[in-house]
Amino acid sequence: LAKTTQPISMDSYEGQEVNITCSHNNIATNDYITWYQQFPSQGPRFIIQGYKTKVTNEVASLFIPADRKSSTLSLPRVSLSDTAVYYCLVGDTRDDKIIFGKGTRLHILP
Amino acid sequence: NAGVTQTPKFRVLKTGQSMTLLCAQDMNHEYMYWYRQDPGMGLRLIHYSVGEGTTAKGEVPDGYNVSRLKKQNFLLGLESAAPSQTSVYFCASSFGTGPSYEQYFGPGTRLTVT
Repeated sequence: LAKTTQPISMDSYEGQEVNITCSHNNIATNDYITWYQQFPSQGPRFIIQGYKTKVTNEVASLFIPADRKSSTLSLPRVSLSDTAVYYCLVGDTRDDKIIFGKGTRLHILP
Repeated sequence: NAGVTQTPKFRVLKTGQSMTLLCAQDMNHEYMYWYRQDPGMGLRLIHYSVGEGTTAKGEVPDGYNVSRLKKQNFLLGLESAAPSQTSVYFCASSFGTGPSYEQYFGPGTRLTVT
C-alpha cells in the first residue's frame, strides 16, 4: 500500500471551492486513488476514484497529474453539510485490505 | 436492500466482560472488515475476511477474535473487555479486495468499557 500524506485539517466558507491535496510519492503503476468521506457519527462512504487525469461525478472532481505522485479532491461550492473527514487511499487489487490514515478534517464555516 | 447492518448500536461493558458484535451484509460481498475508530483518529483495521470461513489479522488485532461462518455475517468478539477497547466499531464489506474496490460501511457500534 502506498503511503499517503494529506493536511490534518482545513477550514473554508460556504459557497467556496475546496481543494484537498494528497501526496503519494511511491504510488505503483497499478494503484488507483480513492477518496472517502466520513460525516460525524457515521461510517465512511466512497466518493470518487481515479487512475489518471480527471474524474468528475455529482459530488466531487479528482485531479491527478501525469506523474501521479499527488492528487487533488475538489469540492465545488461547499455547504455546511460538507463538513466531514476526507480520506485519501492508494492501492490496487493486490492489496487485501485498506489502511485508512487520519484523513483531512474539513470544517465549513457559514 | 439494507446494505451493511451492525448489532448492537450501543453497548456498555464492565472490564472483563465479553460480548460479540454482529455485522451482516446483503450484497453478496466476499470481503468483510472490522475497524475501530477512536476520538479524533482515523480508522484502524482490526481483522478482515476474504471469504466465508477465512479470517486474517489487521493492524490492531490483539484482544479481538472474529468468525465468518456464513458469507453474509462477520462477527467480532471481545473475550475480556478492557477500557482501552472503548471505541466506535465499524464493519465494512466489498466486492473485491484493496482500495480499488468500494467499501460499504455499517452505521457503527459505540462501545464503552468501564
